[in-house]
Amino acid sequence: QKEVEQNSGPLSVPEGAIASLNCTYSDRGSQSFFWYRQYSGKSPELIMFIYSNGDKEDGRFTAQLNKASQYVSLLIRDSQPSDSATYLCAVRAGNMLTFGGGTRLMVKP
Amino acid sequence: GAVVSQHPSWVICKSGTSVKIECRSLDFQATTMFWYRQFPKQSLMLMATSNEGSKATYEQGVEKDKFLINHASLTLSTLTVTSAHPEDSSFYICSANRGRTEAFFGQGTRLTVV
Repeated sequence: QKEVEQNSGPLSVPEGAIASLNCTYSDRGSQSFFWYRQYSGKSPELIMFIYSNGDKEDGRFTAQLNKASQYVSLLIRDSQPSDSATYLCAVRAGNMLTFGGGTRLMVKP
Repeated sequence: GAVVSQHPSWVICKSGTSVKIECRSLDFQATTMFWYRQFPKQSLMLMATSNEGSKATYEQGVEKDKFLINHASLTLSTLTVTSAHPEDSSFYICSANRGRTEAFFGQGTRLTVV
């Protein structure tokens, strides 16, 4: 069974700090990796996707992918209270997108 | 950017009635769309894969006769919850893939069955 694992949290960081979110996956055939942010009662919104090993930066967000170790992470620099949400890692193999359980992030002012 | 539009955003219906939820890809064609269900404080659970012009593929444990999916065009998939019961109350979300690397979600539909 294809699995995507995340620590459910909550992960609590002070405002301005770096938040580090991690995700591991089991399917070595996975091709694309996504990070979504979901506020309570809302649909997930795409933050970043990555499909090559290494780092990908977009503003305050950096996604890191290591296919050999089968993990993908998301770093949020200068965390803001508005970043408080559940972050979902998703892994795509072919057409199928498999989600992790999500990590709840709390950024405290 | 690409937008996936889902309608309605919320609906309240009586037990035993049917509810239709629409999912549209607004600026790209989606041969495949996905329907998810999310219960409070839980992650997204894939219900079915909707394929344009063919039958949907349902995940194990999802009743295909209860959750009817129609993918009539490259931009529209519908999910009909038939004979809804209170336990069907949930947040239903559709998504569509664009190319090999992108996946976009609709706004979600909050269904409450009373």
